[in-house]
Amino acid sequence: GAVVSQHPSWVICKSGTSVKIECRSLDFQATTMFWYRQFPKQSLMLMATSNEGSKATYEQGVEKDKFLINHASLTLSTLTVTSAHPEDSSFYICSAPPLYEQYFGPGTRLTVT
Amino acid sequence: AQTVTQSQPEMSVQEAETVTLSCTYDTSESDYYLFWYKQPPSRQMILVIRQEAYKQQNATENRFSVNFQKAAKSFSLKISDSQLGDAAMYFCALSSISSGSARQLTFGSGTQLTVLP
Repeated sequence: GAVVSQHPSWVICKSGTSVKIECRSLDFQATTMFWYRQFPKQSLMLMATSNEGSKATYEQGVEKDKFLINHASLTLSTLTVTSAHPEDSSFYICSAPPLYEQYFGPGTRLTVT
Repeated sequence: AQTVTQSQPEMSVQEAETVTLSCTYDTSESDYYLFWYKQPPSRQMILVIRQEAYKQQNATENRFSVNFQKAAKSFSLKISDSQLGDAAMYFCALSSISSGSARQLTFGSGTQLTVLP
């Protein structure tokens, strides 16, 4: 299947700082990518849809000023958590659809101290 | 709005036996795909199998097969000859199709599968 990479896999940051997470489609181009958040033993919650060349679409309740998304190219989307707080600690996963199915990155564990 | 329901939070199966995970869904779309994803302890989401709604034939991938009942909006996953490596959280998911491309996935709450040696 298609390969999606995500970097970093684990990041620890101090409260008030910003963290950038990268999501890359390695062997296909993706005009759309998706960002999810997952709490332990729970399902994936869609945060936003990243669109190449246009603004991201955020789900209800997700702060667009806090979670900045930039779809810089057909193979790269970034999620920046701004002014991170401990409650932002979570597992963040991106996905990209070559066609109809979505392939997922390995995820990023964010810990805010 | 689309919904996906997995009513079995936990299931267990003896190694080499067969287990079926249940999933029901609701959508008003006529064109959609259904998926089963597996999430092992590494938390990497792995696509197990997919089903196009317009196809009547049930999808099969090696030991994994589905029972797709479109009228009943049911989409169960059967794992045959269960192996220890099958132990994981399994998510049922639904994606509608718009303008020839995939839209976002709607996930069920997941079923934690334990494989007993």
